[in-house]
Amino acid sequence: EVQLVESGGVVVQPGGSLRLSCAASGFTFDDYTMHWVRQAPGKGLEWVSLISWDGDRTNYADSVEGRFTISRDNSKNSLYLQMNGLRTEDTALYYCAKDKGIFGMDVWGQGTTVTVSS
Amino acid sequence: DIQMTQSPSSLSASVGDRVTITCRASQNINSYLNWYQHKPGTAPKLLIYAASSLQSGVPSRFSGSGSGTDFTLTIRSLQPEDFATYYCQQTYSTVSITFGQGTRLDIK
Repeated sequence: EVQLVESGGVVVQPGGSLRLSCAASGFTFDDYTMHWVRQAPGKGLEWVSLISWDGDRTNYADSVEGRFTISRDNSKNSLYLQMNGLRTEDTALYYCAKDKGIFGMDVWGQGTTVTVSS
Repeated sequence: DIQMTQSPSSLSASVGDRVTITCRASQNINSYLNWYQHKPGTAPKLLIYAASSLQSGVPSRFSGSGSGTDFTLTIRSLQPEDFATYYCQQTYSTVSITFGQGTRLDIK
């Protein structure tokens, strides 16, 4: 079964740091670009970042550029999101998703919740 | 960034109705347009990719059309499980992928 499982979401203070993880199974992880997408409470979906299959290419939304870093470890079938300088507006449910070759995202995890609050 | 604008923002319909949701891009995105269904507490689900291709396992009552800047998602004969929020997404610019603001489809 193709599966993505996110972890690492917690309550953190503004200015703090956090690393999210996403464990992949059921497909050849290092064949695919991977994404992080988030949904703030009461808001819509917002794309956060992507990383190419080999890690050589990364892209970020303007809202997180310079604060978040996406990475992957293909030997562990894992995707990561290092989040620094967290702001209250980063509070959201964070999903990892598998790329369908520029045709969207065809596999999603259930998400992990990040709450930034003092 | 490419802006994606959906209309309407919300919609009420009945089981059996035909529903159309539109999505407009702020610039030409060819056919790099995808549609998702999202229900509370679940992962988003890819319905349509490349503007009009039905994702595997998605019922044929869902269809997509359009190219350039204007796109539509049509649900023919609404079923109870179709009540959800629908998002369009452009992947023309993978430097900055963007979603529409969503269309909430409620039961009338």
